[in-house]
Amino acid sequence: GENVEQHPSTLSVQEGDSAVIKCTYSDSASNYFPWYKQELGKRPQLIIDIRSNVGEKKDQRIAVTLNKTAKHFSLHITETQPEDSAVYFCAALSMEYGNKLVFGAGTILRVKS
Amino acid sequence: DAGVIQSPRHEVTEMGQEVTLRCKPISGHNSLFWYRQTMMRGLELLIYFNNNVPIDDSGMPEDRFSAKMPNASFSTLKIQPSEPRDSAVYFCASSLRTGEGYTFGSGTRLTVV
Repeated sequence: GENVEQHPSTLSVQEGDSAVIKCTYSDSASNYFPWYKQELGKRPQLIIDIRSNVGEKKDQRIAVTLNKTAKHFSLHITETQPEDSAVYFCAALSMEYGNKLVFGAGTILRVKS
Repeated sequence: DAGVIQSPRHEVTEMGQEVTLRCKPISGHNSLFWYRQTMMRGLELLIYFNNNVPIDDSGMPEDRFSAKMPNASFSTLKIQPSEPRDSAVYFCASSLRTGEGYTFGSGTRLTVV
């Protein structure tokens, strides 16, 4: 089955700087890669996603890149703000292995003002 | 759209008692997922349903756990008997179709004492 590894486990940046979170996956059949943001005590919320036929996707200050050959994908947040502080989870979905999302362990992002 | 609705939000119960968690997915979504979140193990998929049919329950930890989806608008996760190690936040999520992003409910924080 799928295995997703996420790095780093914690990330601290200064307000205005960029933050990058990286994930690798094991199943070459995986074709859908969403990112979720979870604030303390709240539910995970989808912030951006990318499919395997696309190399990069942007939404305002957030971008995701995918390298299918290397089987890794990354989340980029530019001009970070204190409200970006949260836990971020990457995930991968493989139709071949039961069509279920497998999540990374999460990254705690702290934006210092 | 009210989103995915879970109840109760918090549950405190004594070891050995039966616990039932409830979920109402978003209307029209045909996939429903039960996840458990702990600090140690992150987000773990317990079971998921497509069109009310259980597809994969390989994540259900023990026979003490059971889940049902009697119709498209309701699902339950039952733990009987409950144990302190079952303490966690249980999330229900739904998606419009297979291969799409999930919308999570607010979760049920379960404490077994």
